[in-house]
Amino acid sequence: AQSVTQLDSQVPVFEEAPVELRCNYSSSVSVYLFWYVQYPNQGLQLLLKYLSGSTLVKGINGFEAEFNKSQTSFHLRKPSVHISDTAEYFCAVSSGGGSYIPTFGRGTSLIVHP
Amino acid sequence: ETGVTQSPTHLIKTRGQQVTLRCSSQSGHNTVSWYQQALGQGPQFIFQYYREEENGRGNFPPRFSGLQFPNYSSELNVNALELDDSALYLCASSSRQDNSPLHFGNGTRLTVT
Repeated sequence: AQSVTQLDSQVPVFEEAPVELRCNYSSSVSVYLFWYVQYPNQGLQLLLKYLSGSTLVKGINGFEAEFNKSQTSFHLRKPSVHISDTAEYFCAVSSGGGSYIPTFGRGTSLIVHP
Repeated sequence: ETGVTQSPTHLIKTRGQQVTLRCSSQSGHNTVSWYQQALGQGPQFIFQYYREEENGRGNFPPRFSGLQFPNYSSELNVNALELDDSALYLCASSSRQDNSPLHFGNGTRLTVT
């Protein structure tokens, strides 16, 4: 079975400050990890994904995430946030071995203040 | 490249009624997944369709059913609506691979009164 825990339900931050959104996962097999962003009244949009190879993954809008197998984490970071980054962020895990169904975390609301 | 489109965007139904939600998948994708997203929650997996057959199901009762058509579009049907069915219903298409990300539509907001 696979599961995802997003440790913070809400993260407030000031504009131009750095931010980290935390995600831990559990899975009994190899994993593929994703971060999605959801703006109000929209569906989810892929930010970045880890499939294999380099543990540091770069995505759209200046976001990056680091896969840490020993800590089963996949935290999302951005060195300087903008007001437009205010949104809901979801971490998701998909296990190998024939499972094509990702499991999502409960989401972290990033609130960027001017 | 045509993205995932869902219809209708909003819907209001009464408890006990039935509803059908529709989804057109992104071109080149053969797999469709449906998710329910309650307010303030993450998406919860309902079921997935591949080659017109159900390929996996989450913890939802049988009154949630679906179809996939030869052109890979899909329907989600919910019978005997309950107040707790009020949510955003998201459709996502993908290719059939473990590492294939989901491409989501903007969802259908269902309100049950």
